[in-house]
Amino acid sequence: DADVTQTPRNRITKTGKRIMLECSQTKGHDRMYWYRQDPGLGLRLIYYSFDVKDINKGEISDGYSVSRQAQAKFSLSLESAIPNQTALYFCATSDLKTFSTDTQYFGPGTRLTVL
Amino acid sequence: AQSVAQPEDQVNVAEGNPLTVKCTYSVSGNPYLFWYVQYPNRGLQFLLKYITGDNLVKGSYGFEAEFNKSQTSFHLKKPSALVSDSALYFCAVRDPYSTDSWGKLQFGAGTQVVVTP
Repeated sequence: DADVTQTPRNRITKTGKRIMLECSQTKGHDRMYWYRQDPGLGLRLIYYSFDVKDINKGEISDGYSVSRQAQAKFSLSLESAIPNQTALYFCATSDLKTFSTDTQYFGPGTRLTVL
Repeated sequence: AQSVAQPEDQVNVAEGNPLTVKCTYSVSGNPYLFWYVQYPNRGLQFLLKYITGDNLVKGSYGFEAEFNKSQTSFHLKKPSALVSDSALYFCAVRDPYSTDSWGKLQFGAGTQVVVTP
């Protein structure tokens, strides 16, 4: 969905480096999410935010942190990257008005490789 | 707790034949169910959802899915597959009655669909 953008699209880094993945949306949605996708495991939720002042851990938050700088921006950081964080990372958004139905809209993904 | 299973890693079908992608779920109450599709090098795109009402849900690109409460299934179907339907398909579920699951979708592992000409 072009209304949800992620930067960078691809990143190769080394073990121990700090990495930030950024997500921006122009959909005006309140809720934002970070997922990682691994082959055979589907998508797993890392963190989610229901508004600027609300941050919640997902099922695999260890080793990650997030910042909700504004309604439209939600960043994911890896403070000290490790190889098993190599994955495809997706940002998603959903609307307060459609919260009960949870239709989420995804960005194009960031492919992160940690050497 | 909510969970979803997609029993097939890959489904192969010839163009023009019917396509079915299977999904079963487990929630404590009545589920909200979703199908998403991921084309190569793209993010996930929403296809359809079941919230309540008619068990047969119609979605984008000619896809439909049938909610079967007794079998706890939500299989995705298309009467006549196209080569362009080749993609990775994800089923997702949420238990709307569980405060622990607010805003959180549980995704299946995904099923790769390969449609051959």
